[in-house]
Amino acid sequence: DVQLVEAGGGLVHPGESLRLSCAASGFSFDVYSMAWVRQAPGRGLEWLSYISSSGRTTYYEDSVKGRFTISRDSAKNSLFLQMTSLRDEDTAVYYCARDYKRSNYLLGAFDVWGQGTTVIVSS
Amino acid sequence: DIQMTQSPSSLSASEGDRVTITCRASQGVSDYLAWYQQKPGKPPKLLIYAISTLQPGVPSRFSGSGYGTDFTLTISSLQPEDVATYYCQKYNSAPWTFGPGTKVEMK
Repeated sequence: DVQLVEAGGGLVHPGESLRLSCAASGFSFDVYSMAWVRQAPGRGLEWLSYISSSGRTTYYEDSVKGRFTISRDSAKNSLFLQMTSLRDEDTAVYYCARDYKRSNYLLGAFDVWGQGTTVIVSS
Repeated sequence: DIQMTQSPSSLSASEGDRVTITCRASQGVSDYLAWYQQKPGKPPKLLIYAISTLQPGVPSRFSGSGYGTDFTLTISSLQPEDVATYYCQKYNSAPWTFGPGTKVEMK
């Protein structure tokens, strides 16, 4: 089965850091671009970051640029999101998601999603 | 950045009703428009990409139309399992913005 499983969420204080991971299985991870999307409690979906299949190209939403870093390890079939200087407004469920087609380019629609990992930033 | 809006923000319809959700982009996104369905406590599910192409396994009662800045998701005959929030998303370029969502409830 094609699957994404996130881990690493938790409760942190403002200003602290957290590293999320997403383990991929059931597909050729290294030929798909990947993304992180979050959803604050009771709110809509917010795209955060995107990494190409090669890992050479990344994009970030403005509110996390400079604070979050996306990366991938094809040997481990894993996607990561390093989050620093966390703020209250970063509280959300964080999803990893797969591009809907295998490509060397960033396509931007997402056909496989993990179940999400919850990050709570609170003093 | 291109902004995405959806209308209505919520609707209530009866089983068998035809339901239409509108999505508007502040600038043209060509055919790079997707629709997702999200049920409570679950991740989103890709229903449609490229305006009107159904993902495998998506019932044919779902359809998409439009071009450029104005798009529509239609459920031809609402079923109880369609109760969910629906999001449009533009993916022509960064940022890959989602609309605010439309919550569909059953009368």
